[in-house]
Amino acid sequence: GAVVSQHPSWVICKSGTSVKIECRSLDFQATTMFWYRQFPKQSLMLMATSNEGSKATYEQGVEKDKFLINHASLTLSTLTVTSAHPEDSSFYICSAADRASLDIQYFGAGTRLSVL
Amino acid sequence: TQLLEQSPQFLSIQEGENLTVYCNSSSVFSSLQWYRQEPGEGPVLLVTVVTGGEVKKLKRLTFQFGDARKDSSLHITAAQPGDTGLYLCAGRGGDHNAGNMLTFGGGTRLMVKP
Repeated sequence: GAVVSQHPSWVICKSGTSVKIECRSLDFQATTMFWYRQFPKQSLMLMATSNEGSKATYEQGVEKDKFLINHASLTLSTLTVTSAHPEDSSFYICSAADRASLDIQYFGAGTRLSVL
Repeated sequence: TQLLEQSPQFLSIQEGENLTVYCNSSSVFSSLQWYRQEPGEGPVLLVTVVTGGEVKKLKRLTFQFGDARKDSSLHITAAQPGDTGLYLCAGRGGDHNAGNMLTFGGGTRLMVKP
């Protein structure tokens, strides 16, 4: 099956620093990638949708200047958490949709961000 | 307010027992998916149901899509410790959701004790 690789799987950073998370589709072209945030023992909340070569669409309440998303190629999207604060600590998950089958999303394994 | 309400939120049972998890909405979805997620991992797709009234079986798991495509259930027979995890339903194409995005329910955390 299709594989989505997310890196890093776990990152600890100091408050005020920026963190970049990568999401790669390994064996298919992902025209659309999604970024979710999941707090402990809660469900996934969609943060933004990114289409290759265009600006991301952010969900209501998600600061686009804080969560920078770049989807420059059909196999890579990045999420940068700028000036991270402890309240940004969460589990971030990406998913990718295949151009040929937009109804199916393949999920990465997630990135656990801890901001000290 | 969650567009998709899952119940129960938590469930702790003994190995061998049966259980049902519900996913309800006031919205009509074009399709509905069930995922299982383990701690520190991304969700893994279990099934997609598309047609109202559809029933799909995956070994000891039975999934049903409501006739009106507003609700779904997941029934596990003879639960095993390996079934422990977070079960998530996700609807696509609901009334409040244009396009291809998935809307996730709040999740049901299942623990099966040996």
